[in-house]
Amino acid sequence: EADIYQTPRYLVIGTGKKITLECSQTMGHDKMYWYQQDPGMELHLIHYSYGVNSTEKGDLSSESTVSRIRTEHFPLTLESARPSHTSQYLCASSEYFVGDSTYEQYFGPGTRLTVT
Amino acid sequence: GIQVEQSPPDLILQEGANSTLRCNFSDSVNNLQWFHQNPWGQLINLFYIPSGTKQNGRLSATTVATERYSLLYISSSQTTDSGVYFCAVEGGVTGGGNKLTFGTGTQLKVEL
Repeated sequence: EADIYQTPRYLVIGTGKKITLECSQTMGHDKMYWYQQDPGMELHLIHYSYGVNSTEKGDLSSESTVSRIRTEHFPLTLESARPSHTSQYLCASSEYFVGDSTYEQYFGPGTRLTVT
Repeated sequence: GIQVEQSPPDLILQEGANSTLRCNFSDSVNNLQWFHQNPWGQLINLFYIPSGTKQNGRLSATTVATERYSLLYISSSQTTDSGVYFCAVEGGVTGGGNKLTFGTGTQLKVEL
């Protein structure tokens, strides 16, 4: 079981501010992901990383950016927050386990962002 | 891209009742997971099940990959089972980067 941490859990911030959402995992997983989820809706992949210095955009276009300088750390940054960025952001990581042929993705608790 | 549909969208049960949730997908998959999202937003892994059948306590799941669907069974439901159940898949015959596409979920409420 993976341990995934996200901070802050809740953030209310004004328009135009720069914010960074933190995500860390302690299991050494190479693959990490960011999803965006509006209330009552499904999750959409916005960024993913297959390892250090590897980042790609996901299926849903996002104005956020990510970096992967260390294996365990995958922060997401919004340079200028807007009310349209109000949403829940969930971080995940995964690894392929040869022993039992599983490829599960594990999620952090999420950050609920509100931009006023 | 691959399409994922879940049914029913909403379900209300009396405590102790059984239920079946369905996930249909539009193409071959190499990964399928069921998650439970609790009222605080945390996604909890239930099953990794790209094919076959698995059971864990009161929950079990079956995926028939050739017919492109998966079922999640909940028996003897409890109020703590309330929340949203998501099916998520990665399309393709061979393994990719484990990039999941989520269904729209089934909102379950279990009442006393």
